[in-house]
Amino acid sequence: DTGVSQDPRHKITKRGQNVTFRCDPISEHNRLYWYRQTLGQGPEFLTYFQNEAQLEKSRLLSNRFSAERPKGSFSTLEIQRTEQGDSAMYLCASSLGQFGYTFGSGTRLTVV
Amino acid sequence: GQQLNQSPQSMFIQEGEDVSMNCTSSSIFNTWLWYKQDPGEGPVLLIALYKAGELTSNGRLTAQFGITRKDSFLNISASIPSDVGIYFCAGQGGGGADGLTFGKGTHLIIQP
Repeated sequence: DTGVSQDPRHKITKRGQNVTFRCDPISEHNRLYWYRQTLGQGPEFLTYFQNEAQLEKSRLLSNRFSAERPKGSFSTLEIQRTEQGDSAMYLCASSLGQFGYTFGSGTRLTVV
Repeated sequence: GQQLNQSPQSMFIQEGEDVSMNCTSSSIFNTWLWYKQDPGEGPVLLIALYKAGELTSNGRLTAQFGITRKDSFLNISASIPSDVGIYFCAGQGGGGADGLTFGKGTHLIIQP
């Protein structure tokens, strides 16, 4: 078990382009979470899956954002028509029930 | 919505000193978590607290889940240089099914 893995670690994209990030959770974890973190702030919750079902979405998750976890294992987060305000660290976390809540190293997105 | 007040915002201490930081909430949480984050990395779980009144240690770290379920503190004893970083508290609501609500972090700086 290598922990929560996120890819890529860094992404620079032009405004208006679409980007997709991947998260591989700890294998036995049934819950997967996406967060966004801007400089000087704590992470902010975006959305949450239990197995393949997306059970909760934050108001921060605009309609340009979509997340999937098709087989209840890895997850993808897509941002369409990126804006400069989307620049942030995107963090994935997984847990087994409420236990072992573990974060990945994140994907740093820069929109230019 | 729920908010966490984390204090202090930053601490400048001498190596070997003890450190104390705390979080308070306007709402009840069922789980309190403490994380440490280094630059460019995701938060790393230090201590998880699941019961009101629980006091848990992890090496030189000790954390408590307040009886009212609206607060938690983290103590670090005999600080060392590698303790430098940003410490975040996080609360989770009912059933462990909610996203975490994070404080704004305590930036710990250790002077040799």
